Amino acid sequence: GAGVSQSPRYKVAKRGQDVALRCDPISGHVSLFWYQQALGQGPEFLTYFQNEAQLDKSGLPSDRFFAERPEGSVSTLKIQRTQQEDSAVYLCASSPGLAADTQYFGPGTRLTVL
Amino acid sequence: AQSVAQPEDQVNVAEGNPLTVKCTYSVSGNPYLFWYVQYPNRGLQFLLKYITGDNLVKGSYGFEAEFNKSQTSFHLKKPSALVSDSALYFCAVSTALSGNTPLVFGKGTRLSVIA
Repeated sequence: GAGVSQSPRYKVAKRGQDVALRCDPISGHVSLFWYQQALGQGPEFLTYFQNEAQLDKSGLPSDRFFAERPEGSVSTLKIQRTQQEDSAVYLCASSPGLAADTQYFGPGTRLTVL
Repeated sequence: AQSVAQPEDQVNVAEGNPLTVKCTYSVSGNPYLFWYVQYPNRGLQFLLKYITGDNLVKGSYGFEAEFNKSQTSFHLKKPSALVSDSALYFCAVSTALSGNTPLVFGKGTRLSVIA
């Protein structure tokens, strides 16, 4: 079956621009996670949804970051007024919904802010 | 707070030799432990996980890992390395204490298998 997909795969933004990153999870997966991976580092948690409810957004680095999953399926991560330090790979993962379930990752969106 | 340590940034091994990629963790409560592999310009691919039960876990592509509670370790192993195993490997931990929690990752270990 289809895995997690993300679009765009690459995004170049000028500092100050707004960007929107999309994630299509595996069909039927209840849980959806966003992670940020800086160059040479492991992924770091940003936010988590269970269906349409955002249960944890403690990892969002600033109020310029906003995520939504209005119908409990597709999710969008929006970054307003991008800064150079936002340059990273943004990974989306989905899982069936239990604590021990495996998270399956998409290919990521590489964001470069100039 | 949960944490994962991967003490080696780089591991080099000759093709056909056994490989080990080290991981230690710190959590409150019982851990769920995962290994993922990342190839260039691709997302993370799941290799294996430990939830409960047998301490030796077998996963994809001939990889296995051993959970050691006393040493709080979860080292990744393979009896005979292939050149195609060369990639970036991440260990991750979560816990059941507060429901479906996010993963906490180590910094990664780059494995290079030399022909």
